Amino acid sequence: EDQVTQSPEALRLQEGESSSLNCSYTVSGLRGLFWYRQDPGKGPEFLFTLYSAGEEKEKERLKATLTKKESFLHITAPKPEDSATYLCAVFYGGATNKLIFGTGTLLAVQP
Amino acid sequence: EAGVTQFPSHSVIEKGQTVTLRCDPISGHDNLYWYRRVMGKEIKFLLHFVKESKQDESGMPNNRFLAERTGGTYSTLKVQPAELEDSGVYFCASSQDLGPPNYGYTFGSGTRLTVV
Repeated sequence: EDQVTQSPEALRLQEGESSSLNCSYTVSGLRGLFWYRQDPGKGPEFLFTLYSAGEEKEKERLKATLTKKESFLHITAPKPEDSATYLCAVFYGGATNKLIFGTGTLLAVQP
Repeated sequence: EAGVTQFPSHSVIEKGQTVTLRCDPISGHDNLYWYRRVMGKEIKFLLHFVKESKQDESGMPNNRFLAERTGGTYSTLKVQPAELEDSGVYFCASSQDLGPPNYGYTFGSGTRLTVV
């Protein structure tokens, strides 16, 4: 069964304390992996798309990487405004365009 | 560019009543998706429209849910009759391309449905 698992469920960091979030997946025929940020009361906001193992993308303090079994979202020197839920979703195409989401990691960055 | 708009933002209804959610995608986006997040669970796919046609409705829970997209513009998702387990946040998303878009899908802020 296609599955996306994110860990940890929640993470509390001090401002400036770097860390990584994990997204592991068991999906056959992966065509893309998305990272989203979600703030309370809002919809998921797109961060990155990764297509193949070894690919990396960066945006400000965030860097996403992809292997054949998992993806990491590295947060370098986080600030309180980085506090949010980070969602991972996989896309495997075929006859469907649907995304399969993980349950997310709730990140809290304390000043 | 206006984003994906959903309304109402919140709805509280009694079990057995009918509720209709509406989604206005980004103008020009042929692809429209409905997703749902039930408390404590992951966001799950409900269905996908390409213009006015249902491309994939494999995620629709049962026949109490009816989605339409008139003229390929806005979409509605009707729940009739609503049950307690239908409570959750319903998200709509849209995209221009059919394949995995480089920019991801654009999501609306969601409709929080509470069935009491």
